[in-house]
Amino acid sequence: DAKTTQPNSMESNEEEPVHLPCNHSTISGTDYIHWYRQLPSQGPEYVIHGLTSNVNNRMASLAIAEDRKSSTLILHRATLRDAAVYYCILRPMEYGNKLVFGAGTILRVKS
Amino acid sequence: NAGVTQTPKFQVLKTGQSMTLQCAQDMNHEYMSWYRQDPGMGLRLIHYSVGAGITDQGEVPNGYNVSRSTTEDFPLRLLSAAPSQTSVYFCASGRSESGKNIQYFGAGTRLSVL
Repeated sequence: DAKTTQPNSMESNEEEPVHLPCNHSTISGTDYIHWYRQLPSQGPEYVIHGLTSNVNNRMASLAIAEDRKSSTLILHRATLRDAAVYYCILRPMEYGNKLVFGAGTILRVKS
Repeated sequence: NAGVTQTPKFQVLKTGQSMTLQCAQDMNHEYMSWYRQDPGMGLRLIHYSVGAGITDQGEVPNGYNVSRSTTEDFPLRLLSAAPSQTSVYFCASGRSESGKNIQYFGAGTRLSVL
């Protein structure tokens, strides 16, 4: 399985944008890039995913490098509720049933 | 919308006891799975199912059994609980096993084995 590398932790101020990086240099051409987050004492929740093009939804934006070896999750205006562990996960197009979770990035948001 | 429902939310067992963690989803999803999360760590896949009657092992299957008799339910059985199984257990479901599909998680069951 292709591996992802994320910083252990990041800190942001409330109401400011946050850029969470993820490196995945061994990604294959059919791997989807997924982001999930886990709020304290809760189950993981889906944030966003993409294959090749940048993606936007109501929660965040996903910027994918042209060579697909890295991606960045962008929270446009961080709130205290966004404090969580963020996981960057690669999922094969076929048989992508196994979400392989790494340690993720702990995001702390300061008021 | 109920989504993925796990019961119980908390459970304390003695070593050697057996129990079943329940998971139900109301989204008609084919794919369901069980993960465990130990303190300070990411989730690890225990077992998964790609449809009723079909199950397979994940990364850490030892000590756990599953079955999938209906689309909606995917119970996880601990046959003889051990302290090493103290963890938080999450159930997830998704439309299919394709990597393009989203997975939805339950709130978790916090299990302590004494």
